[in-house]
Amino acid sequence: DAGVIQSPRHEVTEMGQEVTLRCKPISGHDYLFWYRQTMMRGLELLIYFNNNVPIDDSGMPEDRFSAKMPNASFSTLKIQPSEPRDSAVYFCASSPDGQPGAAFFGQGTRLTVV
Amino acid sequence: DQQVKQNSPSLSVQEGRISILNCDYTNSMFDYFLWYKKYPAEGPTFLISISSIKDKNEDGRFTVFLNKSAKHLSLHIVPSQPGDSAVYFCAARGAGNMLTFGGGTRLMVKP
Repeated sequence: DAGVIQSPRHEVTEMGQEVTLRCKPISGHDYLFWYRQTMMRGLELLIYFNNNVPIDDSGMPEDRFSAKMPNASFSTLKIQPSEPRDSAVYFCASSPDGQPGAAFFGQGTRLTVV
Repeated sequence: DQQVKQNSPSLSVQEGRISILNCDYTNSMFDYFLWYKKYPAEGPTFLISISSIKDKNEDGRFTVFLNKSAKHLSLHIVPSQPGDSAVYFCAARGAGNMLTFGGGTRLMVKP
């Protein structure tokens, strides 16, 4: 398996634009997580899904952020409209059911909002 | 309120010596603790874990110790190698397989 695949690797966009980050989890993994890494706050959990169902989105910073998982092999994180303070590295991770927390991370998407 | 804290942002160690990375937590409901390693421009990779019912887990050069009464865990790397230079995150599992991460410690192993 190729691991968790995220796209794009880098995204530069202007303030106010819509940004969509994509993630393909490892096949067979029941959990999918979206994390954001910043210098100030480290790695923060934004939202996670279990069997494609959003379970906890309490980490989503604002209504400008939304995430979907239409099927077991694809998830998106959307920011609309984007703001400069959204600049960060966004990681997607997946884990199989029953394995206590050993999530496998993608390489991340570095988002810069100018 | 940070539930998982790594108070040392960086650590420098000579090759061959022991590296000790520390982590403190506040939530007594965490039932699993993990360490991740992160190289620049890559995602974190799982390193080692420990259940809350144990106090030690060893895997090669890596050992994790858990002190539940002190709500403290540590990662020991011995002997340290230059390739171990990376950022290390501790994480704790709460409800629903959710992981809460510490802020990370940058380890530099000097040849």
